[in-house]
Amino acid sequence: AQSVTQLGSHVSVSEGALVLLRCNYSSSVPPYLFWYVQYPNQGLQLLLKYTTGATLVKGINGFEAEFKKSETSFHLTKPSAHMSDAAEYFCAVSEREAGTALIFGKGTTLSVSS
Amino acid sequence: NAGVMQNPRHLVRRRGQEARLRCSPMKGHSHVYWYRQLPEEGLKFMVYLQKENIIDESGMPKERFSAEFPKEGPSILRIQQVVRGDSAAYFCASSPGQLYTEAFFGQGTRLTVV
Repeated sequence: AQSVTQLGSHVSVSEGALVLLRCNYSSSVPPYLFWYVQYPNQGLQLLLKYTTGATLVKGINGFEAEFKKSETSFHLTKPSAHMSDAAEYFCAVSEREAGTALIFGKGTTLSVSS
Repeated sequence: NAGVMQNPRHLVRRRGQEARLRCSPMKGHSHVYWYRQLPEEGLKFMVYLQKENIIDESGMPKERFSAEFPKEGPSILRIQQVVRGDSAAYFCASSPGQLYTEAFFGQGTRLTVV
């Protein structure tokens, strides 16, 4: 069965610092990979996704992630944190099959200090 | 173009009552997924439905929980005889078709059982 591991339930950075949120997955075949952001009392918003093609994926709000098959990782980065980035971030995977549901990690709460 | 609409946003039920959560997918979307988010946890898949059909209910508790997606109207997640442990945020997501790689999420219904 697939699983997703997000290392670090809480990450704190200063405004302007690099953001790195880690995600590793277990799957026998490369799945589809997603990062979602959730602001307090809100639903999930898609940041970016990897399906096929270029392994470096750019998303909204300056975020990007790189799919590394050899490391089974899909870490999320942003060069310079902004106060508005403070939120909870979820990594998710799905099988390359029609209609399969997303498997989510437990989430990482990002705090940004001034 | 409205997104995925869930109502109510907040629902309070006493132990033993029934909870009904509604989800209207995005226009043109015929696939609906329900997820549950417990405190400090990621989202857990519950059930996947197409119009008038349950495709995958492997994540649904065996008792008290049911879901439907009728030909007309929203998808309904029904929880009978609620218990305190049912308190959670319930999210609905929709996608336009089986082969689509992205699901769009609603803002969730936060159920509190008192």
